[in-house]
Amino acid sequence: QVQLQESGPGLVKPSGTLSLTCAVSGGSISTSNWWTWVRQPPGKGLEWIGEIYHSGSTNYNPSLKSRVTISLDKSKNQFSLKLSSVTAADTAVYYCARVSGQQGPADYWGQGTLVTVSS
Amino acid sequence: SYVLTQPPSVSVAPGQTARITCGGNNIGSKSVHWYQQKPGQAPVLVVYDDSDRPSGIPDRFSGSNSGNTATLTISRVEAGDEADYYCQVWDSSSDHPRVFGGGTKLTVL
Repeated sequence: QVQLQESGPGLVKPSGTLSLTCAVSGGSISTSNWWTWVRQPPGKGLEWIGEIYHSGSTNYNPSLKSRVTISLDKSKNQFSLKLSSVTAADTAVYYCARVSGQQGPADYWGQGTLVTVSS
Repeated sequence: SYVLTQPPSVSVAPGQTARITCGGNNIGSKSVHWYQQKPGQAPVLVVYDDSDRPSGIPDRFSGSNSGNTATLTISRVEAGDEADYYCQVWDSSSDHPRVFGGGTKLTVL
């Protein structure tokens, strides 16, 4: 059973960089899956942030692309999210998930971690 | 980018059938996935590829997709089905390929 676990600071200052890591267990990150980040502002819907394939190919939400970097660490079986120049609008629960194939569903999700942007 | 439209809310009595729609331009040509999210919890996949169910999901959950509308149907609704439901597709022609609908709050009366 694949399991994902997000970790990182729960509080980030405005204009700073949000950094999160998703540790994958129960399966290798070097498989034919996309590893994705999704966020959910309080009381709102799901927003796709971006994703990375085991080859290192990435796709990003155009509205966030200039501020987002997603990377892989195969030695640690984890992937990471960096979001720069954050504002209060970036306050959200951040989820990592595994997407089964390019057109497939997100079949495994982390529990989510709340990141608050505040001074 | 591709837009998915869901009704904000659907209400149904226990034991009845709930239908949650997801509208999109020619969505019938895409694979639609559905997620259930209860308060304070991560989303859970309930239907994928229009009408398939992951293991462990009751057969009360079913899906269909044709034309400009995909539908998640929940039969014999139970109180525990009360949640937010999101549809999602992959749009290969877009620079925003992985899209979620706005979500539908299912209320069990």
